[in-house]
Amino acid sequence: FMLTQPHSVSESPGKTVTISCTGGGGGIASNYVQWYQQRPGRAPTPVIYDDNQRPSGVPARFAGSIDSSSNSAFLTISGLQTEDEAVYFCQSYDDSNHVLFGGGTQLTVL
Amino acid sequence: QVQLQESGPGLVKPSQTLSLACSVSGGSIKNGSHYWSWIRQPPGQGLEWIGYIYFSGRTSYNPSLKSRVTISSDSSTFQFSLKLDSVTAADTAIYYCARGHRASWAYYLDSWGQGTLVTVSS
Repeated sequence: FMLTQPHSVSESPGKTVTISCTGGGGGIASNYVQWYQQRPGRAPTPVIYDDNQRPSGVPARFAGSIDSSSNSAFLTISGLQTEDEAVYFCQSYDDSNHVLFGGGTQLTVL
Repeated sequence: QVQLQESGPGLVKPSQTLSLACSVSGGSIKNGSHYWSWIRQPPGQGLEWIGYIYFSGRTSYNPSLKSRVTISSDSSTFQFSLKLDSVTAADTAIYYCARGHRASWAYYLDSWGQGTLVTVSS
């Protein structure tokens, strides 16, 4: 089971962007998906857990969803701000409870 | 708010053992609803999970690293540790320790250390 993300996405401030995370070799809905934001030179921080829950302090502009038909998870960021520019990683588990990360998506806000 | 801090040598010679420790403050590693994990990130690349340990001592390792990895914990010192044997240049990375926390269903990595760069070179 592996997680595939687009290498990069870009969008303008104030707009909405969606980042995908596609499961290969298994159903993405079988295990919950988390999303992490990593700004340059910093450790990752969680923005979504349990597919669509936001940790305390994460703004409602961040939303997570699952689409079983496409075997994909999605992170949607609305009202883009320049501070959202970062690399976003999806994360889940395989059937042995091993942690899996997607390759990461560079979000550019221009 | 729990805080984590990695410590250990920044330079390791090829074929030797990489040893890192993670100090936990503001919380106890004895909490059964958490696990304690190591993740690494080669410069400019993505995240790679190394393994995790529960307070009970139960561990889980990345199959690709399992033969070389040992994660242990010491509740008396609020630390957990990573040992990676027989290192090569491919093990050069920023190493993070992190806490796995389960709010409702799945564990997620809610607290991370700042990371420590380990370079493998002679």
